[in-house]
Amino acid sequence: GALVYQYPRRTICKSGTSMRMECQAVGFQATSVAWYRQSPQKTFELIALSTVNSAIKYEQNFTQEKFPISHPNLSFSSMTVLNAYLEDRGLYLCGARRDWGASETLYFGSGTRLTVL
Amino acid sequence: GEQVEQLPSILRVQEGSSASINCTYENSASNYFPWYKQEPGENPKLIIDIRSNMERKQTQGLIVLLDKKAKRFSLHITDTQPGDSAMYFCAARTSSGQKLVFGQGTILKVYL
Repeated sequence: GALVYQYPRRTICKSGTSMRMECQAVGFQATSVAWYRQSPQKTFELIALSTVNSAIKYEQNFTQEKFPISHPNLSFSSMTVLNAYLEDRGLYLCGARRDWGASETLYFGSGTRLTVL
Repeated sequence: GEQVEQLPSILRVQEGSSASINCTYENSASNYFPWYKQEPGENPKLIIDIRSNMERKQTQGLIVLLDKKAKRFSLHITDTQPGDSAMYFCAARTSSGQKLVFGQGTILKVYL
């Protein structure tokens, strides 16, 4: 089955500092990678979608200036949370989609739980 | 709109009984509907999905139904066990976009 490794699993940062999380697809080529955030007591909000050969598309309320994403190849993506504050805490998930036949399945990494002090 | 509404938010059932979670979506172009199970401290895991060319799908004690006219889909867990206790999320995706929109989640608690 498809595997998506995401690290770190947990991170704590001081208010105003930044932290970077990484996502690695294993055994398949991730033609698109979606970054989601699950804030406490909330559902998953899409931050941005990165598709091969297309510009990274950010959702409303999320910007490249705050959440820069790198997707240099078909197996790796990273996202940084710049100047993290309390409202940025939550579980960040990368989801990788592979094009294999008609597969539309989104495989999630283990998530990075961000605590902001 | 793109919203996905999911109910109930909390569901308590006795072991051995069935549990049903319902979702409605707004975008009639949605054509793919996965369900995810998330255990405490873990990432969500895909448990079953259904595409718009189907009305029903069943696997290992899970049944999903899709009513495209009503823009409604549901998950039914038969013979629930304590291990089924978790958070469940429905989602919908359109054919034109690559974006999955999630429901608000349902906390399922199976008691003895």
